Amino acid sequence: TQLLEQSPQFLSIQEGENLTVYCNSSSVFSSLQWYRQEPGEGPVLLVTVVTGGEVKKLKRLTFQFGDARKDSSLHITAAQPGDTGLYLCAGANTNAGKSTFGDGTTLTVKP
Amino acid sequence: GAVVSQHPSRVICKSGTSVKIECRSLDFQATTMFWYRQFPKKSLMLMATSNEGSKATYEQGVEKDKFLINHASLTLSTLTVTSAHPEDSSFYICSARDLDPASGNTIYFGEGSWLTVV
Repeated sequence: TQLLEQSPQFLSIQEGENLTVYCNSSSVFSSLQWYRQEPGEGPVLLVTVVTGGEVKKLKRLTFQFGDARKDSSLHITAAQPGDTGLYLCAGANTNAGKSTFGDGTTLTVKP
Repeated sequence: GAVVSQHPSRVICKSGTSVKIECRSLDFQATTMFWYRQFPKKSLMLMATSNEGSKATYEQGVEKDKFLINHASLTLSTLTVTSAHPEDSSFYICSARDLDPASGNTIYFGEGSWLTVV
């Protein structure tokens, strides 16, 4: 069974601070996705990373896929209250139908 | 981009009745869809994998006779909660995998359905 450990589980910071969320596994994934979910809504895809060592930027968000494709990180610069939400990482494997999800990180950015 | 639509977004039903939730892939075909249950501030719990034209694959501990899944076409999967009880009240989310290689094997989610059993 593939497992993804996501940390931290909860994070509460002030507006303007930086933060990093980690997603680690002992398994290799062919791709990894990051999602953001607001209460009462379905998760929204932020990014897909597929190449070991890949770095993708989405405005103030920076996503990195580990060289061995076993881990990933999400870094947010100068967090804003609008970044508040549940962040989920999910590892996909082309040989299997389902993705493995991390436990999620609940981020609260206080104004 | 790929879109997955879920309906209804909110439903209230009486104990003992059944309720159906639909999941549609709007601009791509999905041979496989997934149904999740989510509790407040928690991650997604996979209930079952819906396979077009064949039986669904249920995760351990999920009652297949209570959560009926039908995937009759390449764009539609349904989840029917039978003989619903208050403990079935939850947020149910579906997703579908876009097999287009350009998407990186990405899963797209529906908007979710709030089920309240009274």
